[in-house]
Amino acid sequence: DIQMTQSPSSLSASVGDRVTITCRASQGIRNYLVWYQQKPGKVPKLLIYAASTLQSGVPSRFSGSGSGTDFTLTISSLQPEDVATYYCQNYNSAPLTFGQGTKVDIK
Amino acid sequence: EVHLVESGGGLVQPGRSLRLSCAASGFTFEDYAMHWVRQAPGKGLEWVSSISWNSVSIAYADSVKGRFTISRDNAKNSLYLQMNSLRAEDTALYYCAKSSGYWYLDLWGRGTLVTVSS
Repeated sequence: DIQMTQSPSSLSASVGDRVTITCRASQGIRNYLVWYQQKPGKVPKLLIYAASTLQSGVPSRFSGSGSGTDFTLTISSLQPEDVATYYCQNYNSAPLTFGQGTKVDIK
Repeated sequence: EVHLVESGGGLVQPGRSLRLSCAASGFTFEDYAMHWVRQAPGKGLEWVSSISWNSVSIAYADSVKGRFTISRDNAKNSLYLQMNSLRAEDTALYYCAKSSGYWYLDLWGRGTLVTVSS
C-alpha cells in the first residue's frame, strides 16, 4: 500500500507569510494527488487536484506542485480564514490513503 | 444544488451491526464513483471504501475489510455502508463523498456519527 507522509504536522505563521506544506508518497503516484482543507468543525473541501489544478472557486493564493513522490501545497500570503488542517490524498490506486494532516494557525 | 446527506449513525455495542445510508441529489448519481471516509474524534481523515458507478469496482481499507460492505442503488440515488462486527476503534464521523471523473472527492456530506461502546 502507498503511504502518504505530510510535513510539518503543524505550523504557526503570521498573516501575509508564505506557507509551504509537503507530502511524500512511498511510491510514485504520477500526479494523482489532491489537497483538501478542513476548517475547525467543518467538512473537508477540495482545494487542488491533479497535484496542481486549482478547484473552481479556490483563491489563487493556493497552489500545488509536484509529481511522482514529492508534492507541495503553498499558500502565497496566509490569511486568517486559512486556519485549517490540510490533507493530501493519493488517488492513483486504492487504498486512497490520506496524509496525517498539517494544522495551520496564525501566529 | 448538489447534496449528500448521511444517516443511520448512532450508539451501538461492540460486535453489533449498523447500516449507513447516503442520499444524493442535484447531480446524476449513476455517473460517479462514491466513497466513505471516516474521522475519529480529534483525528485525521481515513479512507474506508469506494465503489464505482456500476458497482463493478469496489475497494476497502484493510481496517474494515471483511466486516464492512459498500453498495449503491442508482435507482434510488443512494449509497450504503453495512458495518458488521463493530469495534470501539470504528467510532468516528462517517462521511459520504462523491468522486469527480477520477477517484478524488469533490463533494462531501456533513457526516453521520457512529459510536461503538458498551
